[in-house]
Amino acid sequence: GENVEQHPSTLSVQEGDSAVIKCTYSDSASNYFPWYKQELGKGPQLIIDIRSNVGEKKDQRIAVTLNKTAKHFSLHITETQPEDSAVYFCAASSSNYKLTFGKGTLLTVNP
Amino acid sequence: GAVVSQHPSRVICKSGTSVKIECRSLDFQATTMFWYRQFPKKSLMLMATSNEGSKATYEQGVEKDKFLINHASLTLSTLTVTSAHPEDSSFYICSARGGLAGDTQYFGPGTRLTVL
Repeated sequence: GENVEQHPSTLSVQEGDSAVIKCTYSDSASNYFPWYKQELGKGPQLIIDIRSNVGEKKDQRIAVTLNKTAKHFSLHITETQPEDSAVYFCAASSSNYKLTFGKGTLLTVNP
Repeated sequence: GAVVSQHPSRVICKSGTSVKIECRSLDFQATTMFWYRQFPKKSLMLMATSNEGSKATYEQGVEKDKFLINHASLTLSTLTVTSAHPEDSSFYICSARGGLAGDTQYFGPGTRLTVL
């Protein structure tokens, strides 16, 4: 089955700096890679996703890159703000729609 | 965007009782709903996948007689934790995909279950 590794497990940045979270996956059949933000006590919220036919996608301060050959994808957050502080999960999915999640990254943005 | 709700948000029950959690897609028809369990500071663990009108498919190690899942309509799935025990205490989260939501999974806000 699919295995998703996520690094780092914790990340602390100063407000205004950029944050990068990286994930690798094992199943070459995976073709959909979403990123979720989860605040304490809440359900995960989709922030951006990318499909295997695209190498990069951007939405304002958030971008995701995908390297299919190396089987890794990354989340980039620029100009971080304190409200970006949360746990971020990457995930991978193939045609069966089941998501395999990484272990999460606790991002702390210090004012 | 697509909205998924869960009810209740928090429930406390006595050991041995059964608890039902509802998951609803509010603005789209969910062909597939998923149920996850999450322990504190841990990732989401998929428990089962349910398609409308079909029996749920459970992940390895998840007791189907313990966690009953029903997906009777395109907007509602329920998870019933039967004969709950303290070790069933957890954060249960559903997600839904299909219809206007396409392949994207949208998550509910979660249900905190505490079994005394």
